[in-house]
Amino acid sequence: GIQVEPSPPDLILQEGANSTLRCNFSDSVNNLQWFHQNPWGQLINLFYIPSGTKQNGRLSATTVATERYSLLYISSSQTTDSGVYFCAVPTSGTYKYIFGTGTRLKVLA
Amino acid sequence: EAQVTQNPRYLITVTGKKLTVTCSQNMNHEYMSWYRQDPGLGLRQIYYSMNVEVTDKGDVPEGYKVSRKEKRNFPLILESPSPNQTSLYFCASRETWGREAFFGQGTRLTVV
Repeated sequence: GIQVEPSPPDLILQEGANSTLRCNFSDSVNNLQWFHQNPWGQLINLFYIPSGTKQNGRLSATTVATERYSLLYISSSQTTDSGVYFCAVPTSGTYKYIFGTGTRLKVLA
Repeated sequence: EAQVTQNPRYLITVTGKKLTVTCSQNMNHEYMSWYRQDPGLGLRQIYYSMNVEVTDKGDVPEGYKVSRKEKRNFPLILESPSPNQTSLYFCASRETWGREAFFGQGTRLTVV
């Protein structure tokens, strides 16, 4: 099945810094979502982004499906951005989402 | 507001005591599924449903049951919970295959 490889696996930032998270895929993807799992375990839907670029406040995402990767940009990071960021892609057959291992982000005050 | 609602959010129970985790969505979605998340293992699908009365096993169905009698509800049933079912559980729904998925807030279950 499709493999999802996030990078970097861990990231520590000072508050106010910008960062770019990346997901590479082993195969072409038709749809992709970015999630943020906060320290309380909640999965927050950030972007549904099969292709192109979307922006929402300080966050934006770009997916280049033909080159099998997606990027998540976080600008002016805040301590509340801490947590784990996942990209997830659906698979056919069992209708499940494949989540990568995620990028663990810690933003320091 | 479009949402997937799980209850309870937190539960501590004893081995063998039957429990149900409820999941409800207000978006008239066809597809619903359950996942469990464990350290080092990521999110794994337990069961999924493509519509009312249509369910199938995911990757880790042992020890779980589901039902889909109504489109909006997809409860997860643990008939005889065991400590290895201690986990963080998520319910998800989507309109059709390939569309955006919505996840519930999660249920943190501890079986002692």
